[in-house]
Order: sequence, then structure tokens, then C-alpha cells
Amino acid sequence: AQKITQTQPGMFVQEKEAVTLDCTYDTSDQSYGLFWYKQPSSGEMIFLIYQGSYDEQNATEGRYSLNFQKARKSANLVISASQLGDSAMYFCAMGNYGGATNKLIFGTGTLLAVQP
Amino acid sequence: DVKVTQSSRYLVKRTGEKVFLECVQDMDHENMFWYRQDPGLGLRLIYFSYDVKMKEKGDIPEGYSVSREKKERFSLILESASTNQTSMYLCASSAHGDLAEQYFGPGTRLTVT
Repeated sequence: AQKITQTQPGMFVQEKEAVTLDCTYDTSDQSYGLFWYKQPSSGEMIFLIYQGSYDEQNATEGRYSLNFQKARKSANLVISASQLGDSAMYFCAMGNYGGATNKLIFGTGTLLAVQP
Repeated sequence: DVKVTQSSRYLVKRTGEKVFLECVQDMDHENMFWYRQDPGLGLRLIYFSYDVKMKEKGDIPEGYSVSREKKERFSLILESASTNQTSMYLCASSAHGDLAEQYFGPGTRLTVT
């Protein structure tokens, strides 16, 4: 069965520092994708970054990068130069290629608090 | 920009009431999804639809049904609301084909008393 595990219920980071949010996954499929979403207190889920299982380079989007270690089945999100607006819940998710429905399974989330 | 809207941000209903949660997307997406979000449990898939009038159960469909009569609209129905259905409900949509990101609505926080 597929599973996403986020072991950090909450994290603190000082403004302008980097922070790593952990995500491990379990799947027997060879073709899959990993996503990170941000959920501010307003509730809306915001897509941040995507990594395909066959992508050789780690994905980056501005201050977000995904540290993809396929052999360890981990897909950690790195946020550089944290800002107060980064305070939010962060979810890791996984989906599989080959289907039409793009179903995703989500982890339980990590609540990040950025301190001034 | 993709826009997914949900009919209510907050809703309070009584036990036993029939509840309709509406979701509309404006990007002509084939796939639509309903999740519920509870603290410590993340997002769990209730139902999804990959085409008009097509639906499939997700991981926790008990106590819920859905309707998709038009491509842009996906409704979640609680036939007889119960207190354990108090939760945040999130709707999402995505395009067909290769793995694509899902676009989410703002969520509906439902309280059943």
C-alpha cells in the first residue's frame, strides 16, 4: 500500500534561516510524482513544488527545493531564507502515473512557525 | 488562473440534516475530488470523479455521496449529518493525463451539532 509519512508535527525556525521539512514515502510503483503543498491559516492549499520519480535533478522553485533521495524514499522540502509569511501547514503528497484520475495521497502535515 | 470555488466557508448544521457542499471549477478540468481534513490525519479522499456522471469511492466514502451532472460542478452530499462529520472539507480539480497538480478551493468548515 502507498503511504506518505511526515514525522514532524511542528517546527520552529528563525526568520532568514533555512528549514527542512521531512517526508518519506512508500510505494512499489516505479513511476510516481511527489508534491508539496502549503496551507496558510486561511485554509486554501497552495501548490509549491513537484518532483517526478525519473527526474534526475532535484526540483527547485524560488526559495523552495526538494531534496529527493530515491533509494531512501525521501522527498524533503527545503525552504531557504525563511520569511514570516512561510508560517503555515505543509503537506507532502504522492501520486502515480498511468492513471487518468491523478489521485494523490497526503501526509499528516507539518506546522511551521517562523519566528522574527 | 485556475479557480476552484466552494459554496460556503463556514456551515453549521444539525444532526440528521441533509447537507450539500458545492464545488465549481472554471478550468474545464476532467477530474474533481472531495477531501476531508482533520488534525493529525491530513487530507483523506472521500470521493472523486473523472468525468461527468462518473464517480469513484475514495478512502472514506461512508456517510457521503456525490453528484456530478456538469463538468464544472461536483457536489458532496451528507445524507444524514452526524457529529463525526464535523470537519474541514476541501474540493480540488485537475486535468486528465499525466500526473498533474491538483488545484484546491478555499475549504468549507462544517460543524454538525
